[in-house]
Amino acid sequence: AQSVTQPDIHITVSEGASLELRCNYSYGATPYLFWYVQSPGQGLQLLLKYFSGDTLVQGIKGFEAEFKRSQSSFNLRKPSVHWSDAAEYFCAVGLDQNFVFGPGTRLSVLP
Amino acid sequence: ETGVTQTPRHLVMGMTNKKSLKCEQHLGHNAMYWYKQSAKKPLELMFVYNFKEQTENNSVPSRFSPECPNSSHLFLHLHTLQPEDSALYLCASSQGGASQPQHFGDGTRLSIL
Repeated sequence: AQSVTQPDIHITVSEGASLELRCNYSYGATPYLFWYVQSPGQGLQLLLKYFSGDTLVQGIKGFEAEFKRSQSSFNLRKPSVHWSDAAEYFCAVGLDQNFVFGPGTRLSVLP
Repeated sequence: ETGVTQTPRHLVMGMTNKKSLKCEQHLGHNAMYWYKQSAKKPLELMFVYNFKEQTENNSVPSRFSPECPNSSHLFLHLHTLQPEDSALYLCASSQGGASQPQHFGDGTRLSIL
């Protein structure tokens, strides 16, 4: 079945540590790929997107993501996490006319 | 005012009430979406409108009735809801199609008594 998975439900990192959030998809073709962030009480904000070309894409707030076709993955990374990065992160796939969202990964940041 | 605006931000209603959620986008987009976000569940796409025409209805119960009078406004009319309908309802807009990022409002937190 076609799906978007985020294997980690909840991740805790210390402020200043590096971060990697995993996303895998199972579609035949290379879909359009997105990462969104949702802070408490707010809607989803686009962090970055991948369509084609360079497989390492830069986004806002110091985030980047790398598309790996062989692994059907689009993992999100940040070299040094800030306390304000604590939020829920969603990977999304654009396919046909609409989006399919992963279940989300909740990020907690320790001082 | 820019972006996607949803009103009200919070709504508490009884199961027999009728209420409406409103969404307005100031981005010049052609497509608008309603999503339901429940605790511990993935985001659920409910309805999609492209150029004011409904193009998707993901088996949503008839107690939810969408309306899109123009490309900038989207409503979700609620009637005889159930407790399991309590959730965050998010509106989004885009230029349409799978390649265009969706821009989200801050949602309406709905509680059914």
